[in-house]
Amino acid sequence: QKEVEQNSGPLSVPEGAIASLNCTYSDRGSQSFFWYRQYSGKSPELIMFIYSNGDKEDGRFTAQLNKASQYVSLLIRDSQPSDSATYLCAVRNTGKLIFGQGTTLQVKP
Amino acid sequence: DVKVTQSSRYLVKRTGEKVFLECVQDMDHENMFWYRQDPGLGLRLIYFSYDVKMKEKGDIPEGYSVSREKKERFSLILESASTNQTSMYLCASSPLGQGGTEAFFGQGTRLTVV
Repeated sequence: QKEVEQNSGPLSVPEGAIASLNCTYSDRGSQSFFWYRQYSGKSPELIMFIYSNGDKEDGRFTAQLNKASQYVSLLIRDSQPSDSATYLCAVRNTGKLIFGQGTTLQVKP
Repeated sequence: DVKVTQSSRYLVKRTGEKVFLECVQDMDHENMFWYRQDPGLGLRLIYFSYDVKMKEKGDIPEGYSVSREKKERFSLILESASTNQTSMYLCASSPLGQGGTEAFFGQGTRLTVV
């Protein structure tokens, strides 16, 4: 079992819709969780991090963490074509930072 | 402005060569990481370091070694390059800490082994 798993997609949503991206992790000792966005040909950039159970909102983005289910999600409200990118889930455990394979999001005008 | 700088953007090397990829950060971060990124596989951790001269293996360390002689510099070494090491290599750094300690990435080095 991979340490961090994501559906590779592509996930296609119409402009203005909510995009829902999911991630599961295998190590219950994992302490903090990150969502990065990567545009084609560019390096990953942090969108949000979360380390407590529940929801964390930042503008159009909401991260959700459920440690009992070992599940992290990212919701993007009012999706825009500029949100089209690969979204990488990352999990930190005692310094080590492990990424999932990424989900490609396509927002269609 | 935070900065992680990788020494080369593109690199072409021959099979069997010893290859050095350099990464420098100016943020006084304790943690530094080397990943490779291949289509459909995401970022895979090769090695990371949490202090000078300290290193830990990641998920795919075979065929690689690292060196961290100074806090700001983390080098990835391909002892004898092979064609299956053709990939995008990304360096990252982050502060020490278990909370929301963001990792910052360099621009990447696209290595082709011929």
